[in-house]
Amino acid sequence: GNSVTQMEGPVTLSEEAFLTINCTYTATGYPSLFWYVQYPGEGLQLLLKATKADDKGSNKGFEATYRKETTSFHLEKGSVQVSDSAVYFCALSDSYSSASKIIFGSGTRLSIRP
Amino acid sequence: DAGVIQSPRHEVTEMGQEVTLRCKPISGHDYLFWYRQTMMRGLELLIYFNNNVPIDDSGMPEDRFSAKMPNASFSTLKIQPSEPRDSAVYFCASSLANRGGSNQPQHFGDGTRLSIL
Repeated sequence: GNSVTQMEGPVTLSEEAFLTINCTYTATGYPSLFWYVQYPGEGLQLLLKATKADDKGSNKGFEATYRKETTSFHLEKGSVQVSDSAVYFCALSDSYSSASKIIFGSGTRLSIRP
Repeated sequence: DAGVIQSPRHEVTEMGQEVTLRCKPISGHDYLFWYRQTMMRGLELLIYFNNNVPIDDSGMPEDRFSAKMPNASFSTLKIQPSEPRDSAVYFCASSLANRGGSNQPQHFGDGTRLSIL
C-alpha cells in the first residue's frame, strides 16, 4: 500500500541555518505530494505541493522537488527563522482516486534557536 | 473566507460521559474527514464522508465512537461512553474532490483538545 516515511525529530537548528527534512514515499501510480505544517495549538496547513515528477513546490522560502527516481520529496529552506518552529508533515494523495484521501507521515518537530 | 470551524476548542470531562465534537466544513467542499492526533500514535484518520455519506470508517477505534453528517455544513463525532485513553486532539478537515488529475489539499480546523479524566 501507499506510505510515507520522514525523518524523525526533533530537529533543532540555529536561526539562519540551512534546513533539510527528508521524506520518501511508496506508492503505485503517480501520487501528488504535499508538505503540511502545524504550528502550536493549530491544525495542519498546506505548505506546498507537487503533482508530477520533477515539479518543485515552493512557499514561504521552503522548497521541495518531486523526485520519482528516488521516490523522495525532501523539504528544504536556505535560512530558517524562529517563526518556522513547528511540526512538518510529508504526505501523498492517490492521483487515481476522486477522494482527496491523504496519507500523512509521522511528522518532524522543528525547533529554531534565536 | 471562513475555514473549517470546530467546537469546542477544549473539552474536559469525566470518564463515562458522552462527548460530542462538532465541525462545520468549508462551504462547497465535497469531503469531510475526522482525525485523531496523539503523541504516541501520531495523526490517525478515523472516518471520512463524501457528500454527507460515510465512505470509510475503518479507522474508528471502537463502537463507542460514531460520526454523522446530517447535511453538507455540519458533522459530529460522538464518543459514548468516554474513556481516559480517548484523550487526544481531534481534527476535522474538508476538501474538494480531485478533478482532472488535480489532487486537492485538505483544509484543517484548529482541533478540539479532549481530556477525559
